[in-house]
Amino acid sequence: DAGITQSPRHKVTETGTPVTLRCHQTENHRYMYWYRQDPGHGLRLIHYSYGVKDTDKGEVSDGYSVSRSKTEDFLLTLESATSSQTSVYFCAIRIQGEETQYFGPGTRLLVL
Amino acid sequence: GDSVTQMEGPVTLSEEACLTINCTYTATGYPSLFWYVQYPGEGLQLLLKATKADDKGSNKGFEATYRKETTSFHLEKGSVQVSDSAVYFCALSHSGGSNYKLTFGKGTLLTVNP
Repeated sequence: DAGITQSPRHKVTETGTPVTLRCHQTENHRYMYWYRQDPGHGLRLIHYSYGVKDTDKGEVSDGYSVSRSKTEDFLLTLESATSSQTSVYFCAIRIQGEETQYFGPGTRLLVL
Repeated sequence: GDSVTQMEGPVTLSEEACLTINCTYTATGYPSLFWYVQYPGEGLQLLLKATKADDKGSNKGFEATYRKETTSFHLEKGSVQVSDSAVYFCALSHSGGSNYKLTFGKGTLLTVNP
């Protein structure tokens, strides 16, 4: 257990509304990641962070922004949600010096 | 760029049957290779990994060998159980500077019937 929690675990929202998902870790790991999981696509990287206020884009970053103002929290924001962003979102951490990533329980988002 | 191709599912087996899920990859250099498992309603858990050619990862009766000559990392188990029913993801990790990024296959759903 890497001490990762995600909130909310489930959310239903409407097209055009802003949504923020939170990933919280308790062990001060430097590296954090946001993925989305969709049928037929596996997991795809949205954004990642390599330290406080240090973030970079992944392969599917359009329509998403992130912020990391403190080590333990990595926030994913959908500025104006669209139906194509209906997905399951996973946060992950990586322990420095290792390659393995450890995943949170996920957030299921439905955009109507 | 990096890519992972794993066998299409779903795969349905009877308890105690043998399992093989094929995984091949495309990458430059020497990536590390992983199998993750996702049980229903849960996040991904690391099942096993291998970091260099000819390494064998193993856990819970599952095995996979890193074959650089065939760029493969097939997952095998000699006798599956109902509790092995899950989605299995093959992935590779490649370093971009200090930022290791995982590239996943699309996942294979395994159902084991009693």
